[in-house]
Amino acid sequence: SQTIHQWPATLVQPVGSPLSLECTVEGTSNPNLYWYRQAAGRGLQLLFYSIGIDQISSEVPQNLSASRPQDRQFILSSKKLLLSDSGFYLCAWGWDTEAFFGQGTRLTVV
Amino acid sequence: AQSVAQPEDQVNVAEGNPLTVKCTYSVSGNPYLFWYVQYPNRGLQFLLKYITGDNLVKGSYGFEAEFNKSQTSFHLKKPSALVSDSALYFCAVRDILSNYQLIWGAGTKLIIKP
Repeated sequence: SQTIHQWPATLVQPVGSPLSLECTVEGTSNPNLYWYRQAAGRGLQLLFYSIGIDQISSEVPQNLSASRPQDRQFILSSKKLLLSDSGFYLCAWGWDTEAFFGQGTRLTVV
Repeated sequence: AQSVAQPEDQVNVAEGNPLTVKCTYSVSGNPYLFWYVQYPNRGLQFLLKYITGDNLVKGSYGFEAEFNKSQTSFHLKKPSALVSDSALYFCAVRDILSNYQLIWGAGTKLIIKP
C-alpha cells in the first residue's frame, strides 16, 4: 500500500531564516505531487504541483520554491522566511483522481 | 471556470440526528467529485468519490454522498451523527482542464453536539 511521510510536524523559525520541508511517498511510482498551504484552519491554497522529476508548476507567486530531486520526494523551500509564510503546509500525492495527504507541518515564523 | 461551493461555513447537528454538508460545483464536462475530512492539526483524509455509476456513493465512517447532475450538487450525508464526526469537511472537483489539480471548496466545519 502507498504511504506518504511529511516532516517535521511542527516548526518555529525566525524571520529571514531558510526553510526546507520534505515529503516522501512509498509504494507507488511517478505520482503527481502537491504542496498546499492552509491558513487559519480553512481553505487550501495550491502552491506547487509536479507530474514528474524536475517538472514543477507554481500556482502563486510567493517566497517559496519546490523541488523534486527524486520520483517520490518533494521538497518545499525558502531562502528567507517572512511572517506571512506561517501556516499549515500539506503535501499530497495522487494520480488522475483523488489525492492523499501527509499529516502536515505547522510552520510558525517569529 | 471550474469551481466548488460549500455554502455553509458551519453546520451544527445533535448527536444521533442525520447530517448533511452541502456542496455544489461548476465544471465543464463530467465531474469527478470528492469529499475529505480534516481533524485538527492533521492532514486531509479521503472519504469518498464520485466518478461514474450510481449517484449514491458510500464512503468511510458511514458517510455517503449523492450526486445530482441537474442540481450540480454533491451533498455529504450520514444517517446518524456521532460526536467524533466533528471536523472540517472539504468538497473537491477534479479540473478536467488541468489533469493535475483538484479544485477545493472553502470547507465546512461540522459540530456534533452531545
